[in-house]
Amino acid sequence: GQQVMQIPQYQHVQEGEDFTTYCNSSTTLSNIQWYKQRPGGHPVFLIQLVKSGEVKKQKRLTFQFGEAKKNSSLHITATQTTDVGTYFCAGPRSNSGYALNFGKGTSLLVTP
Amino acid sequence: NAGVTQTPKFRVLKTGQSMTLLCAQDMNHEYMYWYRQDPGMGLRLIHYSVGEGTTAKGEVPDGYNVSRLKKQNFLLGLESAAPSQTSVYFCASRTGFTGTDTQYFGPGTRLTVL
Repeated sequence: GQQVMQIPQYQHVQEGEDFTTYCNSSTTLSNIQWYKQRPGGHPVFLIQLVKSGEVKKQKRLTFQFGEAKKNSSLHITATQTTDVGTYFCAGPRSNSGYALNFGKGTSLLVTP
Repeated sequence: NAGVTQTPKFRVLKTGQSMTLLCAQDMNHEYMYWYRQDPGMGLRLIHYSVGEGTTAKGEVPDGYNVSRLKKQNFLLGLESAAPSQTSVYFCASRTGFTGTDTQYFGPGTRLTVL
């Protein structure tokens, strides 16, 4: 079945360093979504990418969707302690009412 | 708007007990979902509903039942709880009009089965 894989599983950075998480799907995706979950919280939608090769920016966050629409990345420039949390990528599941197939997430720890 | 709410927030059960988790949304969304989240496993789909009166199985449906009698509510039932069902349960909803609509998550229910 469709699988969404994310690496790394954990990342520990010093505040001010950059961070990147990578997402790979076993199948071509119609779109990919990114969510952030703070410790003890729930997933919160960050962004959706739809077009092949699409790049979107949100302040210090840059999201990319691969040309083949099977991979994506999230890059954070100059991390801050507020960036702490787990970042998930997710693609639509086949024949499941547009439910999402989540990667296992990348947990980011930022130390001052 | 309250968005997506879940009750209860926390619950401890003994093996074999039953309980119902309630999810409610006030956004008039058609689609609703139940996921479970376990450490290092991401979120896995349990059941989903594409509209009032309809439900379907997801990736990990065994041991759970659901009902969607009203559009705004989606109930998840555990008939005989097992320790393997210790998890954090998230409900989500979306409008369902297009394949690119985003999902809105509730705050979660943290369930421990002893």
